[in-house]
Amino acid sequence: EAGVTQSPTHLIKTRGQQATLRCSPISGHTSVYWYQQALGLGLQFLLWYDEGEERNRGNFPPRFSGRQFPNYSSELNVNALELEDSALYLCASSSGTVAAQETQYFGPGTRLLVL
Amino acid sequence: AQTVTQSQPEMSVQEAETVTLSCTYDTSENNYYLFWYKQPPSRQMILVIRQEAYKQQNATENRFSVNFQKAAKSFSLKISDSQLGDTAMYFCAFRGSNYKLTFGKGTLLTVNP
Repeated sequence: EAGVTQSPTHLIKTRGQQATLRCSPISGHTSVYWYQQALGLGLQFLLWYDEGEERNRGNFPPRFSGRQFPNYSSELNVNALELEDSALYLCASSSGTVAAQETQYFGPGTRLLVL
Repeated sequence: AQTVTQSQPEMSVQEAETVTLSCTYDTSENNYYLFWYKQPPSRQMILVIRQEAYKQQNATENRFSVNFQKAAKSFSLKISDSQLGDTAMYFCAFRGSNYKLTFGKGTLLTVNP
């Protein structure tokens, strides 16, 4: 069974540009979570999508946004990139059933570098 | 808000020995889940073990086991018969009613031959 996949693996942008990161959950999973892992800041929760709806949002500015598609894949968009947005962005998925939703499985991440 | 604290930034252990990683957390919730994830140099975050707070029995997965002390809000990870492949950053994580994971800052474990 395929795990969580993310694309691209690496992304280089310049300040002010927009970045789009993509995530495909494990087959059968309906929830997608995004986390930012920045140097010195640790892992921070960004967004949670379930059944196409944004369910929860971390303490990030509105230029971080996303969406979930009918096939449960997800996009994370970062507008007006700033140097401090350079980080590893991790996507995780979990099953939509309440009992199994406690475990999140992670993808390999997208390394975003803002110059 | 929940917080997770890992007080050991780095640890090392000899191959085949046992090591324990510490984690404490703070929450006002009664029902929650706790996890240990490992992140090797490849950067892929891998689930090691999970514990449901309502279960008194400590979780075990092969060489990995936890010591869950709910009253003390402590959740340590014991790795037995350490292997070179266990070298990684280990993160303790909390999941409460809002479904998001709150992570500690991690412990870098090095297994020496």
